[in-house]
Amino acid sequence: QQQVKQSPQSLIVQKGGISIINCAYENTAFDYFPWYQQFPGKGPALLIAIRPDVSEKKEGRFTISFNKSAKQFSLHIMDSQPGDSATYFCAAGRVDKFYFGSGTKLNVKP
Amino acid sequence: GAGVSQTPSNKVTEKGKYVELRCDPISGHTALYWYRQSLGQGPEFLIYFQGTGAADDSGLPNDRFFAVRPEGSVSTLKIQRTERGDSAVYLCASSRGQGSYEQYFGPGTRLTVT
Repeated sequence: QQQVKQSPQSLIVQKGGISIINCAYENTAFDYFPWYQQFPGKGPALLIAIRPDVSEKKEGRFTISFNKSAKQFSLHIMDSQPGDSATYFCAAGRVDKFYFGSGTKLNVKP
Repeated sequence: GAGVSQTPSNKVTEKGKYVELRCDPISGHTALYWYRQSLGQGPEFLIYFQGTGAADDSGLPNDRFFAVRPEGSVSTLKIQRTERGDSAVYLCASSRGQGSYEQYFGPGTRLTVT
């Protein structure tokens, strides 16, 4: 059973636009929900994360929205820039183990 | 400060051979994780160390895979009798431990089994 489902698989956004990536998880015991950014040939880099006791967290242009009852969370990238073009992974889990989504390849057009 | 480092960056081996992949975590991080990432997929959990002990090895696919962390710092992932299906990027991550959830990843080792 896939623990974390991520969509869309790929996304094209114009510079200055909003990028939205969605994830859904299965296990209600999960208590940590990070988003990672990965460039080709590099390891994933932690972008932003949320705990289930809050519904939204914002850091700069990046916002996580969290819906505990629906078991869904999303990443919003405001004012998207060409430098944001990368693959984004959501994850969910507990301190001992994360389950990752399958990734969203974001392409921000200049 | 230095991040997580992994060596080698690339490893090509023949089917049936034995390989070792090394991870140097961030200094002072007590928790260490190994993941495997296949092309076009997200990282898949393999094993988690807290200190020297493997706290959770439920992600290791079979008994050909083994990992150690004898002094609670550097870790080695060992794969015996490699198969072509083992080809992937092997990622290591570390965190402060003691309930800290933030995992910091290394650049990975790309393993190719021919």
